[in-house]
Amino acid sequence: GAVVSQHPSWVICKSGTSVKIECRSLDFQATTMFWYRQFPKQSLMLMATSNEGSKATYEQGVEKDKFLINHASLTLSTLTVTSAHPEDSSFYICSARDSRTGVYNEQFFGPGTRLTVL
Amino acid sequence: QKEVEQDPGPLSVPEGAIVSLNCTYSNSAFQYFMWYRQYSRKGPELLMYTYSSGNKEDGRFTAQVDKSSKYISLFIRDSQPSDSATYLCAMSTYNNNDMRFGAGTRLTVKP
Repeated sequence: GAVVSQHPSWVICKSGTSVKIECRSLDFQATTMFWYRQFPKQSLMLMATSNEGSKATYEQGVEKDKFLINHASLTLSTLTVTSAHPEDSSFYICSARDSRTGVYNEQFFGPGTRLTVL
Repeated sequence: QKEVEQDPGPLSVPEGAIVSLNCTYSNSAFQYFMWYRQYSRKGPELLMYTYSSGNKEDGRFTAQVDKSSKYISLFIRDSQPSDSATYLCAMSTYNNNDMRFGAGTRLTVKP
């Protein structure tokens, strides 16, 4: 149980194009999902918290108009990188929290999406 | 100063060795302390979590939290080559909406 998938796993795009990454909770409902980015040999940095049916909450320094997040259902959140540039190349990882969990509220992570912008 | 400090290594040990991984932090509001294992180009998987101070043991893994020193540790006994991965510490306040990660320590266990 508690499986989170991401699609695509790897994407290469040209500078200036937009890329959409999907995050799905496969066997549980997630009212809250999180988006992280990870540069090589660096830690995961939280970009935004995505709540089903409402606007995402972005961390300081993250451009909300560049990284569009939509959480349209209890099992799907999408991250769209608009007008991507080479500096956006990174490993993007989502996580989801089971709505039914108790005090701890564990986050389950997806396998990640590697974005390369040429 | 980063909220969570973790030595990135790399750390290389022989099979069977005891491995000690550590993190320090600055935010006294953190209450949940986690250790994740991440294989190359994969998402992190939760190994253990601890609430507040104390020790927790799970098989070959032991997690320790010392809130007074703002210091957490993960010990791996009888390390195996399959333990080779990057180990990330993470911590959060009560609702776990604000998880902060360490940089990760890359561990290699040599047969």
